Amino acid sequence: DAGVIQSPRHEVTEMGQEVTLRCKPISGHDYLFWYRQTMMRGLELLIYFNNNVPIDDSGMPEDRFSAKMPNASFSTLKIQPSEPRDSAVYFCASKAWDRGNTEAFFGQGTRLTVV
Amino acid sequence: KQEVTQIPAALSVPEGENLVLNCSFTDSAIYNLQWFRQDPGKGLTSLLLIQSSQREQTSGRLNASLDKSSGRSTLYIAASQPGDSATYLCAVRPQSFGNEKLTFGTGTRLTIIP
Repeated sequence: DAGVIQSPRHEVTEMGQEVTLRCKPISGHDYLFWYRQTMMRGLELLIYFNNNVPIDDSGMPEDRFSAKMPNASFSTLKIQPSEPRDSAVYFCASKAWDRGNTEAFFGQGTRLTVV
Repeated sequence: KQEVTQIPAALSVPEGENLVLNCSFTDSAIYNLQWFRQDPGKGLTSLLLIQSSQREQTSGRLNASLDKSSGRSTLYIAASQPGDSATYLCAVRPQSFGNEKLTFGTGTRLTIIP
């Protein structure tokens, strides 16, 4: 397996524009996570899915953020409208369920810059 | 609310030395603790996962210990090499059933001096 695949790797957009980040988890994994990493706040969980169903979205900062997982092999994180404070590295991760003690595998991340 | 702290934020040691990275957490009700490595501009790579019932885990030159009652974990790296230079993060998963929400520390940036 190629691991967790995220696209694009880099995104530069103007304030107010819509941004869509994409993630393909590892095949067979039951969980998918979206994280955001900044210098100020470190790594924060935004939302996670189990079997394509959102389980906890308490980390989603505002209504401008939304995430979907239409099938087991694809997820999107959308920001509309984007703001400069959304600039960060966004990571997607996936893991299999094995009574909970399994490791999460991370993608390479998408570096988002909102100008 | 769980808080995870890693001190120091940065560490430089000469090649070949053994070293210890520290991780502390405020809520001892954890299911497991995981250590990750992050290289600049890259994602996170899982190094070790310790279940709450375990005291330590080993992988090659890495040894992670867990003292759940005191809220501490350490990552021991033996015979350090320049390739070990990276940021190391620990993360804890809460004990509550079905809760997969990891809380990360802010990391320790490690530099091994050749």
